[in-house]
Amino acid sequence: AQSVAQPEDQVNVAEGNPLTVKCTYSVSGNPYLFWYVQYPNRGLQFLLKYITGDNLVKGSYGFEAEFNKSQTSFHLKKPSALVSDSALYFCAVRDGWGAAGNKLTFGGGTRVLVKP
Amino acid sequence: DAGITQSPRHKVTETGTPVTLRCHQTENHRYMYWYRQDPGHGLRLIHYSYGVKDTDKGEVSDGYSVSRSKTEDFLLTLESATSSQTSVYFCAISETAARLFEQYFGPGTRLTVT
Repeated sequence: AQSVAQPEDQVNVAEGNPLTVKCTYSVSGNPYLFWYVQYPNRGLQFLLKYITGDNLVKGSYGFEAEFNKSQTSFHLKKPSALVSDSALYFCAVRDGWGAAGNKLTFGGGTRVLVKP
Repeated sequence: DAGITQSPRHKVTETGTPVTLRCHQTENHRYMYWYRQDPGHGLRLIHYSYGVKDTDKGEVSDGYSVSRSKTEDFLLTLESATSSQTSVYFCAISETAARLFEQYFGPGTRLTVT
């Protein structure tokens, strides 16, 4: 089975500083990777995905992620964090193939706290 | 929340009672999913559906059943609720043709089993 790991339970960063949320993956074959964000008392929202192509993927709210095949990583980044970026972030990988296999497996989540 | 509603949004029930949660979508997406979210465990897939009357088990399906008789509705039933099923439940939808494997989530149902 495909899996992703988020090694940090929480990331603290000062407003205006760069933000990085780490994700590593373990897959057989080519990975389909995703990032989602969850604000308090809300469902998850899609941020960005990597399917193929450029290793740097741009997404919503100024976020981007870098796919690194040699390091099996897909880290989420934002050049300048905002207080409003404080949320729970999930990395996910497509798990399964074929018509019945459109599933995602999620990492455990990383809580981001951006301090003013 | 992408045309997805969940009902009820909050429920408190007693151990041993059956509970049904409803997910309704207006997007006509083929795939629908039920997840549970618990501290320390992230999101775990309970069941999913890849078409009307087509369902399959996820990672944590024991004690849960699902039904999908119409494209727009996906029901999750806890056959006999236990305290370990206290959780926040999320429904999600996706459509491979339009948004290649992206999933869109409902607002969640907070279930407490006493």
